[in-house]
Amino acid sequence: GAGVSQSPSNKVTEKGKDVELRCDPISGHTALYWYRQSLGQGLEFLIYFQGNSAPDKSGLPSDRFSAERTGGSVSTLTIQRTQQEDSAVYLCASSLGGTTEAFFGQGTRLTVV
Amino acid sequence: KNQVEQSPQSLIILEGKNCTLQCNYTVSPFSNLRWYKQDTGRGPVSLTIMTFSENTKSNGRYTATLDADTKQSSLHITASQLSDSASYICVVSAQNAGNMLTFGGGTRLMVKP
Repeated sequence: GAGVSQSPSNKVTEKGKDVELRCDPISGHTALYWYRQSLGQGLEFLIYFQGNSAPDKSGLPSDRFSAERTGGSVSTLTIQRTQQEDSAVYLCASSLGGTTEAFFGQGTRLTVV
Repeated sequence: KNQVEQSPQSLIILEGKNCTLQCNYTVSPFSNLRWYKQDTGRGPVSLTIMTFSENTKSNGRYTATLDADTKQSSLHITASQLSDSASYICVVSAQNAGNMLTFGGGTRLMVKP
């Protein structure tokens, strides 16, 4: 596609359920980032994939969060046993490399009730 | 640890007034710095890029400055408009290939009529 695509755009889930968020980066982009943005807050780094290197997971808030990037393209962010504090907009971005412009998706708005 | 700090966290100004947003970083070795604009409900979009040799760059009513010695950047908005209401995010990248982008927390600007 022409841009970064995220799905679903909105997700409402019950506390304790698992959710999967998907990100389709721009074709050919080797770097992929997941961020989250809680209401009224700034961007919070979650995880960074760069090519075939081991991902930088230093931003994942707990072991309930995990992410994969298959074949160097599509990425899924999984949140297990969701909590209300997980409610946020989850943004995905991709870039050609670590120094180039990042292009963001529209985000997935997650609401845990 | 690479860090990017922005100030103020939020700002309210009247339409037609000017404002300046600040960004301090510790990313090293420095490659470039970008300012992004994030409209409500959208992903951030790049406004301007500053490289090491550039001190100032304008994009319409937006003027970015960079002082690589003090590791500071500013984004000046002239004659603000209601459509300038958004979050402005400072993003810094390092020279090492594959290094992730480091994002600031952003400044939330509200322009009131």
